[in-house]
Amino acid sequence: EAGVAQSPRYKIIEKRQSVAFWCNPISGHATLYWYQQILGQGPKLLIQFQNNGVVDDSQLPKDRFSAERLKGVDSTLKIQPAKLEDSAVYLCASSSTGYNSPLHFGNGTRLTVT
Amino acid sequence: AQTVTQSQPEMSVQEAETVTLSCTYDTSESDYYLFWYKQPPSRQMILVIRQEAYKQQNATENRFSVNFQKAAKSFSLKISDSQLGDAAMYFCAYRSFGGGSEKLVFGKGTKLTVNP
Repeated sequence: EAGVAQSPRYKIIEKRQSVAFWCNPISGHATLYWYQQILGQGPKLLIQFQNNGVVDDSQLPKDRFSAERLKGVDSTLKIQPAKLEDSAVYLCASSSTGYNSPLHFGNGTRLTVT
Repeated sequence: AQTVTQSQPEMSVQEAETVTLSCTYDTSESDYYLFWYKQPPSRQMILVIRQEAYKQQNATENRFSVNFQKAAKSFSLKISDSQLGDAAMYFCAYRSFGGGSEKLVFGKGTKLTVNP
């Protein structure tokens, strides 16, 4: 099966600019996650979708971050305006329904804010 | 809230030797899942092994095995016959069994170096 696809692979922007990341999950996976991984730390969940509904966005900085999953398939994560501390790797993952279903991760997008 | 602690920022091992990576977690739940993920420089998180908390038997996957101590809330990963390809960041992760959110909570990771 095809894996989780993410683009772009790298992005460099200046602070206060906007940026968007795209994720296409594994076909048939109902659950989609966006994680933020700051250098030297483990991934932190930003938002979790079940189909096209939000299950958990408690750690999403909603004043600058937004995410959507139209039609319950692919998803975009947007940052506007970006801050220096947003420099990180943004990982997308998907899983089928069920607590025993493993998460499958994409290769991530490395964002550098200057 | 659940927390995961990996106390070893870096570890090294000689090729063909055995190494153990430590992980402790804090939770008030009785049912949950624990995972070890590997992250090579390609950045993709790869599932290494998982353990259901209600199972007393330790999980094994080829050269990878865990020592799960539920009472102590400890979940260590043992890599036997280490290979150069095992070099990567290793993350311990916790997943709740219920409550509507199936998110993984990760530790800060351990960087494993394998010396030839």
